Amino acid sequence: ILNVEQSPQSLHVQEGDSTNFTCSFPSSNFYALHWYRWETAKSPEALFVMTLNGDEKKKGRISATLNTKEGYSYLYIKGSQPEDSATYLCAFSGGYQKVTFGTGTKLQVIP
Amino acid sequence: NAGVMQNPRHLVRRRGQEARLRCSPMKGHSHVYWYRQLPEEGLKFMVYLQKENIIDESGMPKERFSAEFPKEGPSILRIQQVVRGDSAAYFCASSPGQNNNEQFFGPGTRLTVL
Repeated sequence: ILNVEQSPQSLHVQEGDSTNFTCSFPSSNFYALHWYRWETAKSPEALFVMTLNGDEKKKGRISATLNTKEGYSYLYIKGSQPEDSATYLCAFSGGYQKVTFGTGTKLQVIP
Repeated sequence: NAGVMQNPRHLVRRRGQEARLRCSPMKGHSHVYWYRQLPEEGLKFMVYLQKENIIDESGMPKERFSAEFPKEGPSILRIQQVVRGDSAAYFCASSPGQNNNEQFFGPGTRLTVL
């Protein structure tokens, strides 16, 4: 059983605050780490796919870093907006195998 | 280019009936994944298929559940003799290649077993 853990489970921030959360995953047999954004009543939307140790990816105000040696990835949101409210999922892929999802961090941005 | 399509969006079945969930991947995608979201839980992997092949079914319950992805037509997740515990949202995702490619999710099918 692969352990993909995300913290915190939930987070409330004020509009304009920057925030970050963590995904930890097995450091062996790493293939790829995915981040998804999942709004209520919608389907998960891919944010990033990261494959190389030290990778940094950015999309607008959202960015992510990857450390495969120690098995963690951070997702950062700069200047949070109410529309950023969603559950952020990470998913670990260990080669030609299933993708294992974490349980997500539920972000609520308060106007 | 249409996204991943799933139908039906909502399905109601009585205990003991069969449920068939369909997933049409994005055009050009030959890899399909099925996930289940039980109430108050996250996404759980069920099965990974390529055309005509099951690659990984380690997340599938041993009984009553089966999946296929034929050469022509959508991928089908079939649940026989449904029970109340099968009530969940079932999501399908597709990707063009191997696991490092991002997966594109369909809107899901919400199954309710009465």
